[in-house]
Amino acid sequence: DADVTQTPRNRITKTGKRIMLECSQTKGHDRMYWYRQDPGLGLRLIYYSFDVKDINKGEISDGYSVSRQAQAKFSLSLESAIPNQTALYFCATSGGGPSEQYFGPGTRLTVT
Amino acid sequence: DQQVKQNSPSLSVQEGRISILNCDYTNSMFDYFLWYKKYPAEGPTFLISISSIKDKNEDGRFTVFLNKSAKHLSLHIVPSQPGDSAVYFCAASDGSNYKLTFGKGTLLTVNP
Repeated sequence: DADVTQTPRNRITKTGKRIMLECSQTKGHDRMYWYRQDPGLGLRLIYYSFDVKDINKGEISDGYSVSRQAQAKFSLSLESAIPNQTALYFCATSGGGPSEQYFGPGTRLTVT
Repeated sequence: DQQVKQNSPSLSVQEGRISILNCDYTNSMFDYFLWYKKYPAEGPTFLISISSIKDKNEDGRFTVFLNKSAKHLSLHIVPSQPGDSAVYFCAASDGSNYKLTFGKGTLLTVNP
């Protein structure tokens, strides 16, 4: 089984709808992250959490919110989706110290 | 302001030859650098990393070189194989937090 899972893998939604993307991990890591990838722009950090009680904004948090329900679960919400939030969304986790992040398979979100 | 730059959007090499992917950074506080590989429809996967106390790190066919004075790092793949065809992201973090800043990526195509 994958260490980092994301649901759904694909989602099409309409402008103005609320949508939640979910991430679960079995690596036992405290740190979790949400990124979005747009063509030609690389990965940009939306939110990150270093433990259940710690939530921090990344470089592009406007229009998004997150919830860290447990060490293993980190959800990203779009309260009112807009077309320019169409992107690939990735969840990631990391362990102690400066270390690599492990990414989920991604969610392709389309807002029409 | 882009702190991690990958100035070549794409690179094409012949199988068996060397692939060299380049990355420049502007933030002198960065002290840990990573390379990720990404196939279509998958999340990025960690490839290799280097701490700022080193100038070279090697793992099989992959070697990363760091030139701190030039704020430049490169990834060498020798010999290149068709399965190496993917988008490669350079990433960096500083010692005060564990966030990663990513470059925009370079699409490597290895031709048989």
